[in-house]
Amino acid sequence: AAGVIQSPRHLIKEKRETATLKCYPIPRHDTVYWYQQGPGQDPQFLISFYEKMQSDKGSIPDRFSAQQFSDYHSELNMSSLELGDSALYFCASSPLGWGYGYTFGSGTRLTVV
Amino acid sequence: SQQGEEDPQALSIQEGENATMNCSYKTSINNLQWYRQNSGRGLVHLILIRSNEREKHSGRLRVTLDTSKKSSSLLITASRAADTASYFCATDGGDNNDMRFGAGTRLTVKP
Repeated sequence: AAGVIQSPRHLIKEKRETATLKCYPIPRHDTVYWYQQGPGQDPQFLISFYEKMQSDKGSIPDRFSAQQFSDYHSELNMSSLELGDSALYFCASSPLGWGYGYTFGSGTRLTVV
Repeated sequence: SQQGEEDPQALSIQEGENATMNCSYKTSINNLQWYRQNSGRGLVHLILIRSNEREKHSGRLRVTLDTSKKSSSLLITASRAADTASYFCATDGGDNNDMRFGAGTRLTVKP
């Protein structure tokens, strides 16, 4: 069965650089969520999209932006990277917004050096 | 944590024993879900319980929900070494329509 695909799996960037993370949801899932998980931390909700519109916003820094495209894939753009941005970034998708279990991707491990 | 606390933060048991993990949350909810995460891996959905449900079973998993106490428990029966992972509860509803996670319980099952 198709799963949530995230790319790249690993990314190393220097401080002040820009990174773009991509997420391809399960077909026919119209909602995408982004989470950030620091080492030993619980996942922190960043932002979500429903039908290509921003649905909800969590603890996403102003340096980050995201969008969902017409094919429902989503991209998380991170600028002026800081050391503290090093984390696992997960994307999840679900049908109908909420009330269903989310399917998570394997995550992108971002390391800022 | 964005939503609540999980109790205990770490749990170590012997294979075959039962493991009980608790989760408390702060706001009213529509649904509560439990997820499992192996170290550095993605989260895997285990079970969803709706706010009007009190108990749900799935295989060796049993989840209870007490909305009056804003708490839930996850029971894993006859644990196996492969159950070693972190377990998170997550809720949606209240001020947000998106799922927010609790701090997680690190379960270690010794063979």
